[in-house]
Amino acid sequence: DTEVTQTPKHLVMGMTNKKSLKCEQHMGHRAMYWYKQKAKKPPELMFVYSYEKLSINESVPSRFSPECPNSSLLNLHLHALQPEDSALYLCASRGARNTEAFFGQGTRLTVV
Amino acid sequence: SQKIEQNSEALNIQEGKTATLTCNYTNYSPAYLQWYRQDPGRGPVFLLLIRENEKEKRKERLKVTFDTTLKQSLFHITASQPADSATYLCALDINQAGTALIFGKGTTLSVSS
Repeated sequence: DTEVTQTPKHLVMGMTNKKSLKCEQHMGHRAMYWYKQKAKKPPELMFVYSYEKLSINESVPSRFSPECPNSSLLNLHLHALQPEDSALYLCASRGARNTEAFFGQGTRLTVV
Repeated sequence: SQKIEQNSEALNIQEGKTATLTCNYTNYSPAYLQWYRQDPGRGPVFLLLIRENEKEKRKERLKVTFDTTLKQSLFHITASQPADSATYLCALDINQAGTALIFGKGTTLSVSS
């Protein structure tokens, strides 16, 4: 199973809402990632978890809060987002260092 | 600042021709460089990884070269088909741990029949 599953596929939320994005993989990968992608831009690295510990936070605003409950799951908790946070949010996982990344299909987030 | 550049935002070619995409980087000495394909609204899909001691890597109609002196990678698609139309992204790890994968801006390839 080389699949990374993200839910939901689409999400519309108001600026006062709290929501969560979920990501799951069963490849035994110990590195998991969140990326944000705006239209016609490349994926932009947000967070990296390595062995369930947050190892990289690319100066992401605190209204985005990542969580890694176990080695297969990655969440991104959203609170008080702004319309400019509307984007495609991608989850990825990797096995050994410097190997290829496996991406989910993304969650299309719209903040209204 | 650290930077990955893909020279063309868009490339239009005719079916059957060879597409050549360029990726340049500065301020890194990566041990690996990767290429991904991304279709609209979907996550990137891994295509090829090339190591610093490999000059060239092939997979079916795809070929990647890696010149660490020029700090450049070239990505070729031979006998291109309309189904090859997509955005192609180069990527590399920017930390020693090999865990911080970042992407170039991508080149959108359009193959016309």
